[in-house]
Amino acid sequence: QQQVKQSPQSLIVQKGGISIINCAYENTAFDYFPWYQQFPGKGPALLIAIRPDVSEKKEGRFTISFNKSAKQFSLHIMDSQPGDSATYFCAARTPLGAGSYQLTFGKGTKLSVIP
Amino acid sequence: DADVTQTPRNRITKTGKRIMLECSQTKGHDRMYWYRQDPGLGLQLIYYSFDVKDINKGEISDGYSVSRQAQAKFSLSLESAIPNQTALYFCATSESGQGYNEQFFGPGTRLTVL
Repeated sequence: QQQVKQSPQSLIVQKGGISIINCAYENTAFDYFPWYQQFPGKGPALLIAIRPDVSEKKEGRFTISFNKSAKQFSLHIMDSQPGDSATYFCAARTPLGAGSYQLTFGKGTKLSVIP
Repeated sequence: DADVTQTPRNRITKTGKRIMLECSQTKGHDRMYWYRQDPGLGLQLIYYSFDVKDINKGEISDGYSVSRQAQAKFSLSLESAIPNQTALYFCATSESGQGYNEQFFGPGTRLTVL
């Protein structure tokens, strides 16, 4: 059972355009929503994260929009650059108690930014 | 920087063989994780450990075992490898404590089971 649904599976955007990746969840116990970026041959790396009591978080060209009532969150990449070409994973954190947590990942979106 | 290292980086083995993937970290984190990545399936948690004496099963632990030899070392074993265990395997570490504790991933091990 996939708990975090991510779309689209792949995305092609022109340089300077806006890239948008969407995720949806059902489990209301999730308490943190990070996005990870993965370049070919590398492990994923944290890009940006948001708590569910915040509707938007911006870091440079990257913005997370969070809609708690709709159980949806999205990553927007403004002024997309060829160097942004990577696979992006949304994730959601489940508290397990006693300070323990578990991350559930979406299936990933392969972004290609063309010149 | 090589804060989280994985060995080997690539491994080809045959069905039925026992293999071990190793992970070491110099970040001083107490929490370590093993994930499996398959194309189009994202990352799935195999096992995690919150300290040397703590081992927990993740979503897909069947066919795998782990050993936390020290705070800095966490190994993943396939007792009898099968072809559908062909995948990319990642080790990750994180701190404990309040707030969102980022997971830092190693470079991965590409495993092929023939």
